[in-house]
Amino acid sequence: RKEVEQDPGPFNVPEGATVAFNCTYSNSASQSFFWYRQDCRKEPKLLMSVYSSGNEDGRFTAQLNRASQYISLLIRDSKLSDSATYLCVVRRSENDMRFGAGTRLTVKP
Amino acid sequence: DADVTQTPRNRITKTGKRIMLECSQTKGHDRMYWYRQDPGLGLRLIYYSFDVKDINKGEISDGYSVSRQAQAKFSLSLESAIPNQTALYFCATSDPGQGATNEKLFFGSGTQLSVL
Repeated sequence: RKEVEQDPGPFNVPEGATVAFNCTYSNSASQSFFWYRQDCRKEPKLLMSVYSSGNEDGRFTAQLNRASQYISLLIRDSKLSDSATYLCVVRRSENDMRFGAGTRLTVKP
Repeated sequence: DADVTQTPRNRITKTGKRIMLECSQTKGHDRMYWYRQDPGLGLRLIYYSFDVKDINKGEISDGYSVSRQAQAKFSLSLESAIPNQTALYFCATSDPGQGATNEKLFFGSGTQLSVL
């Protein structure tokens, strides 16, 4: 079993749709959590950290459920520019960050 | 100008050859990392360095070595390349000053390596 698991997708949604991704992690001692965005064949870039109480950044909302060991990312009012692969990242310790394989999103006109 | 620069962007080599991938950064971060990305597997850590005198193995260090020549430079070597080292390689930096929750990775543009 992978340490960080994501549905690879692809998720194909129309512009304006709301879409949600989940990510599960296996190490209950994991300390912090992130969503990164990666465009095709380019470097990952931090989208947002995920805080215990949940957090929002514009159209993006991240949630953490420690009891069930999953994090989620909700994108509202999808834009064409949101098309990318979204990587779930879990920090186990100071020097140990584990990446999910990513969920691919395509937003269509 | 990119804050984290990787060279080369693409490299094709043959089995058994020694190659070096280079990374330099202008962010002033002490922490640097090398990852590889394979389809369906996500990024995996090869080596990391928290300062110039510090080198640590990551999840998949076999077949690789690194050198931290200066705070700004961290190079990755494949002593004898093999086909299953074909992958997209990323260098990254981070700054722990904001705390673990906020410590984010800054990636270079990647090096696509193909070993024939």
